[in-house]
Amino acid sequence: DAKTTQPPSMDCAEGRAANLPCNHSTISGNEYVYWYRQIHSQGPQYIIHGLKNNETNEMASLIITEDRKSSTLILPHATLRDTAVYYCIVRVVAAGNKLTFGGGTRVLVKP
Amino acid sequence: EAGVTQFPSHSVIEKGQTVTLRCDPISGHDNLYWYRRVMGKEIKFLLHFVKESKQDESGMPNNRFLAERTGGTYSTLKVQPAELEDSGVYFCASSQVWNRGSHEQYFGPGTRLTVT
Repeated sequence: DAKTTQPPSMDCAEGRAANLPCNHSTISGNEYVYWYRQIHSQGPQYIIHGLKNNETNEMASLIITEDRKSSTLILPHATLRDTAVYYCIVRVVAAGNKLTFGGGTRVLVKP
Repeated sequence: EAGVTQFPSHSVIEKGQTVTLRCDPISGHDNLYWYRRVMGKEIKFLLHFVKESKQDESGMPNNRFLAERTGGTYSTLKVQPAELEDSGVYFCASSQVWNRGSHEQYFGPGTRLTVT
C-alpha cells in the first residue's frame, strides 16, 4: 500500500468546516483513498473512500486531486463530537486487504 | 444491526498468565481482522480470517499469540504467556466479502489489556 503523509494535528472551530489534507504521491492506479477516524476510547470508524472522483456521504466529503497524489477530507460543520484522530489510508480494494494505519491527524474541535 | 462486539472490555493480568480475548463480528461478515495498538505506537494489523481460515497472519508478533475462529463465527485471540510488552488495546474488525467499491471494515470497541 502506498504511504500517506498527514499533519500531526490541527484545530477547528465548532460549526466551521474542517479540511484535513493527505498526501499520497506514490499512489497507484488501483489504490483507493480511505478515511477512518478514532474517537477517544473507541474503535476506528469508517468515514468515506474514493478512487478518483469526489465523494460525499452523510459524514463528510472527499476531494481527490486530478493526479490523485493528494486528497482532502472535509467535515462540513464540525462539532465537538468530531474531535478524533483521522487516518488517511491508501489501499487496494481486494477481499481481505488489511488496513495500514499511520500516525493520522489529531483534530481538536473547539467551541 | 448489532456491531462488532469484543469481550472483555478491560483485562489486567500478571506477566506469565494467559488471557483470551473474544470478538463477535457483524452477522454475515466472513472477513474478521485483529489489530492492536501498543502504548505510543500506531495501530498495527495482526491477522485476518476468511470464515474459519487464516488468510494472512503476517502481523502476529510471535508464537505466544494464537488466534482461532472455529465455525467461522466468533474469534478468540489467546496470549500465552503474556509479557509486559503485550499491553495495549486489541481491536477486532469485520467486513463483508468483496462488495464492489466498498469493503470497509467495521471495528469493535477494543479490549484494553494491561500486563503487570
